[in-house]
This record gives sequence, C-alpha cells and structure tokens, in this order.
Amino acid sequence: RKEVEQDPGPFNVPEGATVAFNCTYSNSASQSFFWYRQDCRKEPKLLMSVYSSGNEDGRFTAQLNRASQYISLLIRDSKLSDSATYLCVVKGNTGTASKLTFGTGTRLQVTL
Amino acid sequence: EPEVTQTPSHQVTQMGQEVILRCVPISNHLYFYWYRQILGQKVEFLVSFYNNEISEKSEIFDDQFSVERPDGSNFTLKIRSTKLEDSAMYFCASSLTSYEQYFGPGTRLTVT
Repeated sequence: RKEVEQDPGPFNVPEGATVAFNCTYSNSASQSFFWYRQDCRKEPKLLMSVYSSGNEDGRFTAQLNRASQYISLLIRDSKLSDSATYLCVVKGNTGTASKLTFGTGTRLQVTL
Repeated sequence: EPEVTQTPSHQVTQMGQEVILRCVPISNHLYFYWYRQILGQKVEFLVSFYNNEISEKSEIFDDQFSVERPDGSNFTLKIRSTKLEDSAMYFCASSLTSYEQYFGPGTRLTVT
C-alpha cells in the first residue's frame, strides 16, 4: 500500500463549482497533515495544515479522520487561479526534523 | 515575506561530475531539508538537518550525497559523482519549528 494515496485526476470543473479531493495514508503513527499546491514546474506551496477538528481558510476546508486515516480538501467557488496540482502531505514523528511524505497529487483544472 | 532561495535555477552537468546545489533558508529557521522530484513523479524526501547534523536521511541519500551548512546562511547539497538518474528538480525547504516546511523554487539538475 502506498504511504500516501491520492486520485491523480484530472478534475475538470467550471468556475464557481465545488470540488473535493480525498487522500488516505498508511502510517497510523503520522502526526501532522497538510495540503500543498504545486503549479507546473514550481515548488510545493503550503496551502493549509489539517487539524483533527477540521479547519477552514476562506474557500478551502480541510478534514482529517484519524480512525479511517483519511484526509480531505474541499474547494468552494472555484477560481481559474485554483488550477494546480494539490498534494496531500503527511509528517511523521521520527525525530526533531521529521520528513514530509507526499502523495502523487491530484490535478485540478478550472475552466470558464 | 521571507522566502527560501536556491541557486542555480538550472544546472547541466556531465555524468560523473560533482555538483553543489545551494540554498539560503529563511533566516530564523532552524530545520533544513532537501527533497527531489523526478519529472512526472512525486516529491521525495532526501535529508533533514538540525543543530548542525543530519537528523534523518532516506535510502536515496547514499554516500554520493552530502549536506553542509558552511556558514550561518547557506545550506548546500553536494552530489559527488552524478548519474543520469540524478536528473530531477531539487527543492530545499526550511522550518522554524519541525512543523510547517517552506520550499524554495528548486534547482533543475540535468545530467547528460
């Protein structure tokens, strides 16, 4: 089983649509969870951390279900500028500078 | 807003040559990382560095790789004898705590 698994997409949605991405992780000892976005040939940029209680940042809502080892990202009112690859990222607790483990990403294309 | 910077943006080298990739982490950050991304694949962890020593390294980070923080600002990745399969985008990241990591724009390494 992959450490972090995501549907690669692409998800093609019209502007204004709501879209949801899901992710599962295999290591139940994982401590921290994030969504990053990556534009083509650019660096991953931190979109938001994911907390156990769920959290929202503007149009973006992230949820974590530790029992199911499942993370989600909901984007409301999609904009053209949301077109990117969304990376589900998990961090362990193996030391003081724990590595990030990335999923392969889900590609989103928002169209007019 | 402070950023991680990396030089060069693109490096072309011949197989067997040594390369040094340079990074300037965000100035008050304490944790430093190198990741790589082969074209079309996911981002992979190479090494983390804290308190002037390696905290964790992956299987990819073999004897051909080394890291150094030669002064108070730079963080370097050296590949001693490059192979064709080392061709990838190399990202440096830093974090203040061991929580959220911020990535530089990357160095595209092409080994011919």
